Amino acid sequence: QVQLQESGPGLVKPSETLSLTCTVSGDSVTSGSFYWSWIRQPPGKGLECLGYSYSSGSTKYNPSLKSRVVISVDTSKNQFSLELTSVTAADTAVYFCARGDVFDGFDSWGQGILVTVSS
Amino acid sequence: DIQLTQSPSSLSASVGDRVTITCRASQDIGNYLHWYQQKPGKAPKLLIYAAVTLHSGVPSRFSGGASGADFTLTISSLQPEDFATYYCQHSYSTPLTFGGGTKVDVK
Repeated sequence: QVQLQESGPGLVKPSETLSLTCTVSGDSVTSGSFYWSWIRQPPGKGLECLGYSYSSGSTKYNPSLKSRVVISVDTSKNQFSLELTSVTAADTAVYFCARGDVFDGFDSWGQGILVTVSS
Repeated sequence: DIQLTQSPSSLSASVGDRVTITCRASQDIGNYLHWYQQKPGKAPKLLIYAAVTLHSGVPSRFSGGASGADFTLTISSLQPEDFATYYCQHSYSTPLTFGGGTKVDVK
């Protein structure tokens, strides 16, 4: 049973960079045809996929983030990470990491981490 | 971007009711459509993938349907633990997007 766990600061200042890590246990980030994704949910709102990365390094990002996002996979640590630059209050959200597959959806999720953007 | 429009945005129901939620895609997405259940303060859980396939461990009262660009999630007999918010999501192309959600609460 794969498990995912987000970690990182819960408070980030405006204009700075939000950095989160997702640690994967119970399976390897190189197994299967999965992609590794970050999804966020502003308080009281819906879900937004920021993008995803395969373990090969191939990535896809949501154009709405205008090149502010980078997702990378570290196969040696069995982790993947998110960097979101130039944050504003609009980036305040619960951030989830998730394992996905184009045919099977997101079958495993982390518990989520609340990140607040405030000075 | 492919838009997913869920309806209704909320509904009130009683235990034992049959509940159907609809998700309409803005273009053909084949069967690249998945359904999730989310409870307050928790991560979403996968219910149905590829429009009609029940995820492992999900009760059989949940079922998915598809007709063209219209998709449905049906709960045949609502149980107390089913009061939650439900989302559809497509994986047809980038960006992956979710529907706006349907909140199912107690009548």
